Amino acid sequence: SQKIEQNSEALNIQEGKTATLTCNYTNYSPAYLQWYRQDPGRGPVFLLLIRENEKEKRKERLKVTFDTTLKQSLFHITASQPADSATYLCALDFSGAGSYQLTFGKGTKLSVIP
Amino acid sequence: DAGITQSPRHKVTETGTPVTLRCHQTENHRYMYWYRQDPGHGLRLIHYSYGVKDTDKGEVSDGYSVSRSKTEDFLLTLESATSSQTSVYFCAISEGTGVYGYTFGSGTRLTVV
Repeated sequence: SQKIEQNSEALNIQEGKTATLTCNYTNYSPAYLQWYRQDPGRGPVFLLLIRENEKEKRKERLKVTFDTTLKQSLFHITASQPADSATYLCALDFSGAGSYQLTFGKGTKLSVIP
Repeated sequence: DAGITQSPRHKVTETGTPVTLRCHQTENHRYMYWYRQDPGHGLRLIHYSYGVKDTDKGEVSDGYSVSRSKTEDFLLTLESATSSQTSVYFCAISEGTGVYGYTFGSGTRLTVV
């Protein structure tokens, strides 16, 4: 069966360091992968999408890589700040052509310590 | 969240009663989704819609039904609420397939006692 896994439930890092979150998937070759941020009591917010033919995507202090051979995406936050503390979710569409349904990982809760 | 609202935000109901949650969008997006989020399970898809009157089941659809009679409204009904349906429910919308991210509502916290 197809699975999407975020290896760490929680990650604590010091302010100013780079946070790296991992998303792995199995039994699928996705055309793209998405990352979301979720704050407590709020709905997830779309951050970035990376396509299978893109090795890397950047947006301000965020960087996402996509290795289709390893079936893995890495999400980096450089120069992390306490305001970056949140849960980060990766998501894939396993449904195939003609539909659009995202399956989400369980998320990694990032805490940036001042 | 801009363009998508869920109501109610909080609800407590008794086991066995029907409950309807509403999702309203002003973005004219084709796709609408209902997810539930539970500790240890993350977000799981209940039902989704790809157009007016076009709906389909997701991963955890048992005990739930949906309706979409207008582009802007997507209703989720628990026919006879059970304690296992205590959860936070999120509605999401999407402009299209593939490269479009989802926009989520703020959620409805439902407690079944």
